[in-house]
Amino acid sequence: AQSVTQLGSHVSVSEGALVLLRCNYSSSVPPYLFWYVQYPNQGLQLLLKYTTGATLVKGINGFEAEFKKSETSFHLTKPSAHMSDAAEYFCAVGYSSASKIIFGSGTRLSIRP
Amino acid sequence: DTEVTQTPKHLVMGMTNKKSLKCEQHMGHRAMYWYKQKAKKPPELMFVYSYEKLSINESVPSRFSPECPNSSLLNLHLHALQPEDSALYLCASSQITGTSGRDTQYFGPGTRLTVL
Repeated sequence: AQSVTQLGSHVSVSEGALVLLRCNYSSSVPPYLFWYVQYPNQGLQLLLKYTTGATLVKGINGFEAEFKKSETSFHLTKPSAHMSDAAEYFCAVGYSSASKIIFGSGTRLSIRP
Repeated sequence: DTEVTQTPKHLVMGMTNKKSLKCEQHMGHRAMYWYKQKAKKPPELMFVYSYEKLSINESVPSRFSPECPNSSLLNLHLHALQPEDSALYLCASSQITGTSGRDTQYFGPGTRLTVL
């Protein structure tokens, strides 16, 4: 079965430090990959997505992710964390054969002053 | 404009009440979705409408009744809900490109539902 795994339900980093949120998918067919962010009591906002082409994808708010087929990964990074980055982050995967996307369980990002 | 609006923001209802949630988008998207999200969990798909027709029902109980009156509007009618139905209900919309899994879903802010 196709699935997506986010390693680490909670990640805490210091302000100014590197942010790394991990996402791995399982599939034998090409995936479409998404990162969404959810701030408290709000809906989900698209950060970035990978469909085809360049494997390094740049998104909003200084985030980027790299699609690595050999590692079946799509990790999210940001060079320098801001307090405003504190939120829940969801990785999601879609496939051309499926009519819905599959969400990971989410990672809560906390930023220490 | 990538905005999906939802009303109301908050709703408290008793188990015998009938209420409706409303979702609207003006991006020309022809697919619309309802999700349910419990605290600290990812969204769970409930329904999908494509070209105003119900295309996916994820075995949702009949006390939830979706309706898509036109291409911009999506309603969720609620009746005889249970306390465990309390959650954040999210609406989303997307273009239909012919490759569903690639279509980016744009989410509304959600309706926080409490069932007493």
